[in-house]
Amino acid sequence: ELKVEQNPLFLSMQEGKNYTIYCNYSTTSDRLYWYRQDPGKSLESLFVLLSNGAVKQEGRLMASLDTKARLSTLHITAAVHDLSATYFCAVDNGGGADGLTFGKGTHLIIQP
Amino acid sequence: DAGVIQSPRHEVTEMGQEVTLRCKPISGHNSLFWYRQTMMRGLELLIYFNNNVPIDDSGMPEDRFSAKMPNASFSTLKIQPSEPRDSAVYFCASSSGTREQYFGPGTRLTVT
Repeated sequence: ELKVEQNPLFLSMQEGKNYTIYCNYSTTSDRLYWYRQDPGKSLESLFVLLSNGAVKQEGRLMASLDTKARLSTLHITAAVHDLSATYFCAVDNGGGADGLTFGKGTHLIIQP
Repeated sequence: DAGVIQSPRHEVTEMGQEVTLRCKPISGHNSLFWYRQTMMRGLELLIYFNNNVPIDDSGMPEDRFSAKMPNASFSTLKIQPSEPRDSAVYFCASSSGTREQYFGPGTRLTVT
């Protein structure tokens, strides 16, 4: 059974600081996804990482994937309040267009 | 593009009643997924379809749950009879091939 673990689950940080969210998964997979969810809203796709060593950046967020270590990171640079949300990583359950197994999410609060 | 469309957005029903949730995927997407989100269990994959065919329904919690996809532009998730523990947000998502899944706005179900 595929397991996806995120840490930390809760994170309160100040604006301007840097931080990293970690996502570990238990079985071989080369597809990892990061989503953002605002309270009461749906999930918004942030990054799709499709190969070992993949790195993608969008604004203050950067995601990377190490398939050998079964680890992905989401790095936040110079955080701003608008980035406050819950961030989920998810792993493809098998090859191809399969369902995703999600981590429990990281609830991020960025304070002025 | 209108994105994934779900209806109703909110549903309140009494225990024992039948509930039908509806989803229209993004045009051209050939995979459709149903997820459930609760505080206790997080995001769980219930079932997914590929080219209108159910591929994996191992996440469907009980026989009370059933899902259909009669054509490429419509899917339903039915709960009969509903129970209070079915209260959750139900998301439908669609994708094309191995690309990321796009989530609908969700249906918030409350069973009293």
